[in-house]
Amino acid sequence: RKEVEQDPGPFNVPEGATVAFNCTYSNSASQSFFWYRQDCRKEPKLLMSVYSSGNEDGRFTAQLNRASQYISLLIRDSKLSDSATYLCVVNPMDSSYKLIFGSGTRLLVRP
Amino acid sequence: GAVVSQHPSWVICKSGTSVKIECRSLDFQATTMFWYRQFPKQSLMLMATSNEGSKATYEQGVEKDKFLINHASLTLSTLTVTSAHPEDSSFYICSARVDREIAPGYGYTFGSGTRLTVV
Repeated sequence: RKEVEQDPGPFNVPEGATVAFNCTYSNSASQSFFWYRQDCRKEPKLLMSVYSSGNEDGRFTAQLNRASQYISLLIRDSKLSDSATYLCVVNPMDSSYKLIFGSGTRLLVRP
Repeated sequence: GAVVSQHPSWVICKSGTSVKIECRSLDFQATTMFWYRQFPKQSLMLMATSNEGSKATYEQGVEKDKFLINHASLTLSTLTVTSAHPEDSSFYICSARVDREIAPGYGYTFGSGTRLTVV
């Protein structure tokens, strides 16, 4: 089983749509969770951290369910510029501080 | 702040040659540097973790003699792909962990990546 698993995608949605991505992680001791965005042939960029209480940043809402080891990202009112690959990322919080990346979900927002 | 400069951004080399990729932290000290590799349509796979002044820790399946990592200073880490072959063609990215006490709100900062093509 992969340490971090995501919806395979791609998601092809019209502008203005609401889209949700899911992610599960295998290490129950993990403490930090993130969503990163990666554009084609670019480095990943932090979109938002994910907190236990859930958090929102504009059109983006992230949720964490520790009991189910499940993370989600909701994007409302999709824009063309949201087209990218969204990476679910987990920090297992061992002494190495390394990040474990999911395989990513590709989003295509069409006019 | 907290910028990592990675060079080169792309490189084409002949099979059998070696390629060095550099990552420099420009305005902070990178105690720990992570090296990732990304094949097309796949996610980032951690290759190794390097700490300044000590040997790198390689992930399972990554050949330490082929992918040489040097982290001799707090501002420079290098990855050398030795005797490169076409199957080593990939996108290589470095990432530094930023001490939150130094830069609150930051976590990890990534280099812009190096696209390696071995012909």
